[in-house]
Amino acid sequence: AQKVTQAQTEISVVEKEDVTLDCVYETRDTTYYLFWYKQPPSGELVFLIRRNSFDEQNEISGRYSWNFQKSTSSFNFTITASQVVDSAVYFCALSEAGGGGADGLTFGKGTHLIIQP
Amino acid sequence: DVKVTQSSRYLVKRTGEKVFLECVQDMDHENMFWYRQDPGLGLRLIYFSYDVKMKEKGDIPEGYSVSREKKERFSLILESASTNQTSMYLCASSFSSIRTDTQYFGPGTRLTVL
Repeated sequence: AQKVTQAQTEISVVEKEDVTLDCVYETRDTTYYLFWYKQPPSGELVFLIRRNSFDEQNEISGRYSWNFQKSTSSFNFTITASQVVDSAVYFCALSEAGGGGADGLTFGKGTHLIIQP
Repeated sequence: DVKVTQSSRYLVKRTGEKVFLECVQDMDHENMFWYRQDPGLGLRLIYFSYDVKMKEKGDIPEGYSVSREKKERFSLILESASTNQTSMYLCASSFSSIRTDTQYFGPGTRLTVL
């Protein structure tokens, strides 16, 4: 069965520091997708990125970057020069392409990121 | 932009009441989902639907039912609310029936059952 682990329950940094959120996953499927979502205090989950298992290139989007390493089953998320508006709960999630079971995403328990001014 | 709306942001109900949570998406998405979010447990899938009048159980369907009479609307029903159903409920939709398609979420409904 698939599983996503976000070992960091809460991280607190000072504004402008870089911060990395860890995500480790387990799956028996060879084709799968990984996601990151942001949940600000308002509650809505905001989609950040979707990456398939065959694409190990790192991705950069502004201050955000993602490091996908199949060898360690990790999909880590780095925020460079953090800002107060980055404060939120961040979820990593996994979806397998094959197999049975529900079609929903398997989420990690989330990392609460606090950016202090 | 994808827009998923939920009928209420906050809801307070009493034990034993029948509760309806409504979700509407405006992007002609095939799939719709209901999750609940609890501290320390993350998000867990309750039910999903890949077409009108179709439904599939997720990981924690007990105590819930769903209805999808129109493509854009997916309702979660608590037949007889209990205090352990106090939670944040999140609706999501995705464009196609591909399992791995991106899901877009609504703002959530925080339900309190007294």
